[in-house]
Formats: sequence, structure tokens, C-alpha cells
Amino acid sequence: KQEVTQIPAALSVPEGENLVLNCSFTDSAIYNLQWFRQDPGKGLTSLLLIQSSQREQTSGRLNASLDKSSGRSTLYIAASQPGDSATYLCAVSSGANNLFFGTGTRLTVIP
Amino acid sequence: EAQVTQNPRYLITVTGKKLTVTCSQNMNHEYMSWYRQDPGLGLRQIYYSMNVEVTDKGDVPEGYKVSRKEKRNFPLILESPSPNQTSLYFCASSLAGVNYGYTFGSGTRLTVV
Repeated sequence: KQEVTQIPAALSVPEGENLVLNCSFTDSAIYNLQWFRQDPGKGLTSLLLIQSSQREQTSGRLNASLDKSSGRSTLYIAASQPGDSATYLCAVSSGANNLFFGTGTRLTVIP
Repeated sequence: EAQVTQNPRYLITVTGKKLTVTCSQNMNHEYMSWYRQDPGLGLRQIYYSMNVEVTDKGDVPEGYKVSRKEKRNFPLILESPSPNQTSLYFCASSLAGVNYGYTFGSGTRLTVV
């Protein structure tokens, strides 16, 4: 069964710093990898989706990379802002019906 | 506004008292799914539905039921809730399966005492 791990579990950075969140998965036979943002009291918001054939995806200050063979993905956030404070979840798809989620990295950006 | 709506947002109930958490989407999505989120375990899928009248078990279906009589609605039913079902529940939908854009509801925090 697919297992997804996110390190670190929590991260605090000063505003303006660039940062990297890590995600690893045990089974490299994936369809895609997705990054979500979760804010307290709200649902999950989809940030980026990387197909298994892709190496990276970018959206604004966010860049996600995928190394399927090594079972790793990173989410790079440039010039962090206090509004980026949230929990970031990584999820992988091995088929049409389910996503396997990591437990998340709780990010705090200090003004 | 395109959205997935869950109700209620918060619920405290007693062991054994049947309850239903509703989920509705207004995007004409075929695929809908329920997850529970627990500390240290991440989100785990309970049930999913590929279309009307088509439902199937996810990773943790024990103690739950679902139905999909209409495309827009996918209620989660706990026939006899127990304290180990205390959790944060999310409904999600997509056009056709998890490999398309996934829209989540805001969550239902359930406490069973």
C-alpha cells in the first residue's frame, strides 16, 4: 500500500525567505502527485498537480517538482508571506479512485 | 460559486444515535468521495462514488454508509456512531476521478461521546 511521508512536520520561517517542503512516497507507480493547502476551519485547496510524466509545475510563487523514480517531490515557495501560513499536504494517485495523503507540513511565516 | 457544501460544520452526538452528514456539489461532477482526517494519520478515504447509484468502499469504510441517488448529493451515514469515529470529515468532488481537479468541502468536525 502506498505510504506518503512529509518532512518536516512543522516549519517556521521569517517573512521573505524561500523555503522547501518535502514529500516522499513508497510506490513509484503513480498517476500524479498533488499539493494541497489546508487552512484551519476550511477545506483543502488544490495548489498544483504534477502528472507522472512531468518533472515540475509552477503557479505564481509556487514550484513543485517530481522525481518519480526516487519517490520524491518538493514544493518550493518563493519570497514567503504571512498569508502562506497553513498546512501543506502532499497526495499521490495510483489509480482513478483514491488519493493517498501525507500528514502535512504546518508552515508558519513570521512577519 | 462552484463549491462543495457540507452540513453540519460541527456536531456533537452520543454513541449509537444515527446521524447523517450531507454533502452537495453544484459543479455537475460525476465523482464524489468522503475522507476522514485524524492527527498523525492524514486523510483516509471512507467511500467514493463514480456516478449516480455507483458507490464503493475506500480504505476505512467500517461503520459508515453512503448513497448516491442524485448526482449532486452524497450523504455520509453513521448508523451507530462510536467514539472512534470522532474525526474531521471532508467531502470532495471532481469531474471524473481523483486525477482531475479535486474540490473539497469545508469539513465537518464530529465528536461522539
